[in-house]
Amino acid sequence: DVKVTQSSRYLVKRTGEKVFLECVQDMDHENMFWYRQDPGLGLRLIYFSYDVKMKEKGDIPEGYSVSREKKERFSLILESASTNQTSMYLCASLPAGGRYGYTFGSGTRLTVV
Amino acid sequence: AQSVTQPDIHITVSEGASLELRCNYSYGATPYLFWYVQSPGQGLQLLLKYFSGDTLVQGIKGFEAEFKRSQSSFNLRKPSVHWSDAAEYFCAVGEGNFNKFYFGSGTKLNVKP
Repeated sequence: DVKVTQSSRYLVKRTGEKVFLECVQDMDHENMFWYRQDPGLGLRLIYFSYDVKMKEKGDIPEGYSVSREKKERFSLILESASTNQTSMYLCASLPAGGRYGYTFGSGTRLTVV
Repeated sequence: AQSVTQPDIHITVSEGASLELRCNYSYGATPYLFWYVQSPGQGLQLLLKYFSGDTLVQGIKGFEAEFKRSQSSFNLRKPSVHWSDAAEYFCAVGEGNFNKFYFGSGTKLNVKP
């Protein structure tokens, strides 16, 4: 069964900390994505990557950066965590062409205190 | 810009009743369309997808959806709802070369015994 694995289900971090959220997929997919999900706002795209070392900004990239050094791994970095970054973070992957839809990880619920 | 609208934030139906969740999108060309389901605290699971051909598509768990180009809609239906269908449902549209999707804000489904 294909999988997208997010390293942590729950995280609690302090304001100002540098936070790393890790995502690994075993499907050899070209595209990987980071979304955040907030009540009433649905899913909002933070960053995505269509190839190793390539990245593109989504709709809400401010305060975040990403890294994709290997095809299977896509990391989201909060350079200096703030309370307004408390959210559910979802990673997804997608094969080239897009017609098969995303495969999502189980999510990381991040609380910044 | 592309947009996806799910006009119903919450819906409550009785177990065994029929269900229809609405989704409207704005996109110039024929899009790829998807419905996802999210159980509490989980990631999103693909229910069904449309990208061409028959406008009535069947998915998992007894769900179906119909693409209506004239109405820019892709409504999700189920003839008889089960208590286990209680979850949040998201409609999504894929744009361009389909490596980027846009999501609606979601519809939470409650099922009464």
